[in-house]
Amino acid sequence: SQQGEEDPQALSIQEGENATMNCSYKTSINNLQWYRQNSGRGLVHLILIRSNEREKHSGRLRVTLDTSKKSSSLLITASRAADTASYFCATDIIQGAQKLVFGQGTRLTINP
Amino acid sequence: SQTIHQWPATLVQPVGSPLSLECTVEGTSNPNLYWYRQAAGRGLQLLFYSVGIGQISSEVPQNLSASRPQDRQFILSSKKLLLSDSGFYLCAWSVRQRGFRDEQFFGPGTRLTVL
Repeated sequence: SQQGEEDPQALSIQEGENATMNCSYKTSINNLQWYRQNSGRGLVHLILIRSNEREKHSGRLRVTLDTSKKSSSLLITASRAADTASYFCATDIIQGAQKLVFGQGTRLTINP
Repeated sequence: SQTIHQWPATLVQPVGSPLSLECTVEGTSNPNLYWYRQAAGRGLQLLFYSVGIGQISSEVPQNLSASRPQDRQFILSSKKLLLSDSGFYLCAWSVRQRGFRDEQFFGPGTRLTVL
């Protein structure tokens, strides 16, 4: 089963609205990261939040982390058509092989 | 500044043919290097990672192999492609001293179609 799972799988909203995506994971982590992928392109790192942090901001992005619930959310405020992309959360794992584990992603569509 | 290159961008190969995908990183030394595969509409599956020249760790048993002949060069290979090898292959790097757990920088990817 996946370490990180995004919810919803797909989200379609109007331009200007806020978009919220969630990520749940199973094992203890050092940090959680969010990445963005435009169709047919590589991933771009958006933000990293460490396990001892609860909230982090970067421009129109707001990420929260609740380690007790093993979940994170990514909020994009005042969405733009250019925000249309897939968004992935990635978690590292404290034990075992040192690697990032990516979720299946949320496909976000911003309608003009 | 650092850049990462992958080639080719797209590739169509017959079943049973060999494969060689190349990834190079510029502007950094001693990076951690990774190969991922992404099936259509899905997340990323880590295939291989490397902490140094000649050091390769495989994450899943498969028809593929990887090599790191130079510090900033990572190659993904297969002797005989299978239909199931089709997908989007992504190379990534991260800063060595920060370990695996920090930000990864991705290349543009190679779209492989096996017919």
